Amino acid sequence: SQQGEEDPQALSIQEGENATMNCSYKTSINNLQWYRQNSGRGLVHLILIRSNEREKHSGRLRVTLDTSKKSSSLLITASRAADTASYFCATWGASGTYKYIFGTGTRLKVLA
Amino acid sequence: KAGVTQTPRYLIKTRGQQVTLSCSPISGHRSVSWYQQTPGQGLQFLFEYFSETQRNKGNFPGRFSGRQFSNSRSEMNVSTLELGDSALYLCASSLVGPHYEQYFGPGTRLTVT
Repeated sequence: SQQGEEDPQALSIQEGENATMNCSYKTSINNLQWYRQNSGRGLVHLILIRSNEREKHSGRLRVTLDTSKKSSSLLITASRAADTASYFCATWGASGTYKYIFGTGTRLKVLA
Repeated sequence: KAGVTQTPRYLIKTRGQQVTLSCSPISGHRSVSWYQQTPGQGLQFLFEYFSETQRNKGNFPGRFSGRQFSNSRSEMNVSTLELGDSALYLCASSLVGPHYEQYFGPGTRLTVT
């Protein structure tokens, strides 16, 4: 079964609005990463947040991590049509296990 | 700096055949990971190679194998192809490993008939 489960599975918003997507995972992690995938640029790394960090920013992206709830959220502010893509969280397991698992993804559509 | 390249981009094979996919990582990257992406199962980790050694392996049958050469280029082989092996196979390279930033190639779309 997938370690990461993104929520919602699909999201449709207007350009300029904010988009929030969530990721839940099951086991202890060392870090969590978010990726974007679209047909034009393939799979691209967006941001990495370590297990001892609670929040991280990169441009219009804000990621939070709550290890007590085993969840993370990705916020895209002032969305653009070019943000239309699928977004995945990926986790690297802790406790000596070296398992790298992608979530199921959120399909974001930004309407112009 | 050139990105990750994968060859071929598209492949059609028949059940029972075998296939070899190739991946050239970004220069200087010693870690190469392989993933299978399907609509039903999503992105699944196959295995990772670092300096010619397989460091970790996902939950795939032994029909899926790989290797890495001294120049960090990697190949993935699937033997006795099944219809369910139809997927997009992605290769990613990294300086350290998949637990840090990875750079993905465009993928090889394999169709098994």
